[in-house]
Amino acid sequence: DVKVTQSSRYLVKRTGEKVFLECVQDMDHENMFWYRQDPGLGLRLIYFSYDVKMKEKGDIPEGYSVSREKKERFSLILESASTNQTSMYLCASSPYIPGGSPSYEQYFGPGTRLTVT
Amino acid sequence: QQQVKQSPQSLIVQKGGISIINCAYENTAFDYFPWYQQFPGKGPALLIAIRPDVSEKKEGRFTISFNKSAKQFSLHIMDSQPGDSATYFCAANSWGKFQFGAGTQVVVTP
Repeated sequence: DVKVTQSSRYLVKRTGEKVFLECVQDMDHENMFWYRQDPGLGLRLIYFSYDVKMKEKGDIPEGYSVSREKKERFSLILESASTNQTSMYLCASSPYIPGGSPSYEQYFGPGTRLTVT
Repeated sequence: QQQVKQSPQSLIVQKGGISIINCAYENTAFDYFPWYQQFPGKGPALLIAIRPDVSEKKEGRFTISFNKSAKQFSLHIMDSQPGDSATYFCAANSWGKFQFGAGTQVVVTP
């Protein structure tokens, strides 16, 4: 069974703290993604990675960084948390289909609800 | 600025009724249009998807209608059930990178 796990379901941090959100997938997928979900805005892509040690900015990368040292693990880092980063964070993964076109089906984790006070 | 516009924001439908959610996009490079279903406390899960060379796709009670010329697509949930109560997101994809709609909260009353 396909599984994407996220290290915490709920997290409360103070302004200025460095925050790490961890995501692990057990499907040997090449592609991994971090989104934030806010009411009325849907899911917005923060960063994604097509391979180990590779990363690309999504639509809202400001204030975030990522790390992918192993294929199964993709970490989202908030260098200095701010209150406007209070949100639901979703990790997703998808396989790569040979032939040059990335697979389109994404599998999501349960999310981490982060509150920054 | 959202590249995929979804409406309505919320929907209440009686059991057995039809739920219809609409999405519109501008970017003609999009080539895959999935719908995701999300229950409270869970991540989104793929429900049904369509590619632009097809005008309609049906899976059980769920149907996607796609209008390439109008750059619009919609989800129809036939014979809606209380278990369909969830938030639904449309999305559009170009080379593995998704743009999501804002979501529609669907409530099916008994």
